[in-house]
Amino acid sequence: GAGVSQTPSNKVTEKGKYVELRCDPISGHTALYWYRQSLGQGPEFLIYFQGTGAADDSGLPNDRFFAVRPEGSVSTLKIQRTERGDSAVYLCASSLNGNTEAFFGQGTRLTVV
Amino acid sequence: ELKVEQNPLFLSMQEGKNYTIYCNYSTTSDRLYWYRQDPGKSLESLFVLLSNGAVKQEGRLMASLDTKARLSTLHITAAVHDLSATYFCAVGLNYGGATNKLIFGTGTLLAVQP
Repeated sequence: GAGVSQTPSNKVTEKGKYVELRCDPISGHTALYWYRQSLGQGPEFLIYFQGTGAADDSGLPNDRFFAVRPEGSVSTLKIQRTERGDSAVYLCASSLNGNTEAFFGQGTRLTVV
Repeated sequence: ELKVEQNPLFLSMQEGKNYTIYCNYSTTSDRLYWYRQDPGKSLESLFVLLSNGAVKQEGRLMASLDTKARLSTLHITAAVHDLSATYFCAVGLNYGGATNKLIFGTGTLLAVQP
């Protein structure tokens, strides 16, 4: 596709459940980023992939959060044992090689009830 | 800890007026990004500033970067209602030549009144 695609657009889950959020970057973009945006705040960095490897995962809040990008394209953000505090919009972005502007997807709004 | 501060946090202005949004950051970086976000929408890239003294203009918006002062500005000329949105600046932190992460400011909510 022409832009970064994220699915689902909305996800409601019960506390304690496991969720997966998917990101399809722009074709050919090697750099991929995940961010989390809480209401009224700026996006907060979670993790950065260059190709298949996580080059910087310093923003993951704890070990319940994990992300993969096995073939260097699609990425999945996985959250175990969800908590109400995990409720936010999760944004994915991609960049051609990490040296050019990053384009953001529409985000997945996660609500933990 | 890197801090990126924007001011003002909220700006109400009349159509036709000029104003400037300021973005201060606390660490060395030569990459500064400006994004626009409409309610319920994702982030739209406006400007990428990659060197000291860089200035870019698009329509009624002009962005500049002073890396020595660790300051970027977004200047709005003759505002129109369509510019109403939240504007974020973000500092790029890079290692090995690539931007590892963007650290975002708190955002400036701009409301242009007719």
